[in-house]
Amino acid sequence: NAGVTQTPKFRILKIGQSMTLQCAQDMNHNYMYWYRQDPGMGLKLIYYSVGAGITDKGEVPNGYNVSRSTTEDFPLRLELAAPSQTSVYFCASRQTDDNEKLFFGSGTQLSVL
Amino acid sequence: AQTVTQSQPEMSVQEAETVTLSCTYDTSESNYYLFWYKQPPSRQMILVIRQEAYKQQNATENRFSVNFQKAAKSFSLKISDSQLGDTAMFFCAFMKHYDMRFGAGTRLTVKP
Repeated sequence: NAGVTQTPKFRILKIGQSMTLQCAQDMNHNYMYWYRQDPGMGLKLIYYSVGAGITDKGEVPNGYNVSRSTTEDFPLRLELAAPSQTSVYFCASRQTDDNEKLFFGSGTQLSVL
Repeated sequence: AQTVTQSQPEMSVQEAETVTLSCTYDTSESNYYLFWYKQPPSRQMILVIRQEAYKQQNATENRFSVNFQKAAKSFSLKISDSQLGDTAMFFCAFMKHYDMRFGAGTRLTVKP
């Protein structure tokens, strides 16, 4: 199994550009998450999904959008990139059982200049 | 919303010694799960240990153990026989159903 796959691994954007961070999991997990990690800081929840067609906001959703058309994919879209969105982005997934650990992708390092 | 607080931004320990990392959380829930994750320089997130709130017995995983104090909403991690490979960021996390929140992390350095 590949687990959780994130692409790209690195990206540099100019202010005002748009992009989509891709996330795919092959474990048939219902719950998927997007977190951002600023330098030296913890992970903050951007958006999450409890199943295909269902998404909701986390702690820091402003400037981002998500969709969940399939169980496998959970893309994160930045519409108008700003320097404050410079961060490492992690996608994660887990089964619905509460004691199940999160499976993380390897992260996307995004710089907005 | 639940909050997780790690009050020690950085800690260091000598190789082979024991260190304890602190974590407190705020919730009105009675059933939930707590985790410690390790993030080495590779950026990979690695599950270290998990604890179910309804279990009074503290979880242990080899050199890692927790001190879970439910009434005090405290969840500390003890690392025994520290190894150089333990040098990493350690994150405390709270989970209730779909909601999973992380603390700001503690940077642990193990010195030879």
